[in-house]
Amino acid sequence: EAAVTQSPRSKVAVTGGKVTLSCHQTNNHDYMYWYRQDTGHGLRLIHYSYVADSTEKGDIPDGYKASRPSQENFSLILELASLSQTAVYFCASSGRDRGDTLYFGAGTRLSVL
Amino acid sequence: GEQVEQLPSSLIVQEGASVLINCSYTDSASVYFPWYKQEPGKRLQFIIDIRSNMERKQNQRLTLLFDKKTKHLSLHITATQPGDSAIYFCSARLSGSFNKLTFGAGTRLAVCP
Repeated sequence: EAAVTQSPRSKVAVTGGKVTLSCHQTNNHDYMYWYRQDTGHGLRLIHYSYVADSTEKGDIPDGYKASRPSQENFSLILELASLSQTAVYFCASSGRDRGDTLYFGAGTRLSVL
Repeated sequence: GEQVEQLPSSLIVQEGASVLINCSYTDSASVYFPWYKQEPGKRLQFIIDIRSNMERKQNQRLTLLFDKKTKHLSLHITATQPGDSAIYFCSARLSGSFNKLTFGAGTRLAVCP
């Protein structure tokens, strides 16, 4: 089975602080994604990447940066965390073909106080 | 952009009952519709999908119906079991997009023994 590992699983951050969420996949997948889930809303795409050293903006990129230093690793960076960024964050990976299944990590619950 | 709506937001049924989860989308350019399931404490996982050139797809106790004219999908689950208790997410992908999915807010299903 495909494996996507996120760390940390939960985090409490202070407003204005820097937060880094990490994701590691062992699926040999080209695509990696960061989604955000808020209560009562579906998952929304923040950033994605289809190759190492390159990232693309998703639907809600403001306030977030992403980094893909290798095929296996994809990070989400909040330079100045804000209250509105309290949410559950999911990383996922998929193959390069359209329609390829997304394999999700277990999620990171971020609380910004 | 594409919007995906799911109804109901939650439902509770007795074991053995059938359930229907409805999903509607707004962009007629959407061509691929995967569904994901998130069991309590577990990661999202793919359960079934359908393409816009199909009307129906079945996978064991799951049947997915698609109406292109009305931009509507419905997921039918028969003979429900407590293990079906989960949040079910409908999603849509536009033609030409790499693998970018727009998710609905999810339907929380509880199956009581």
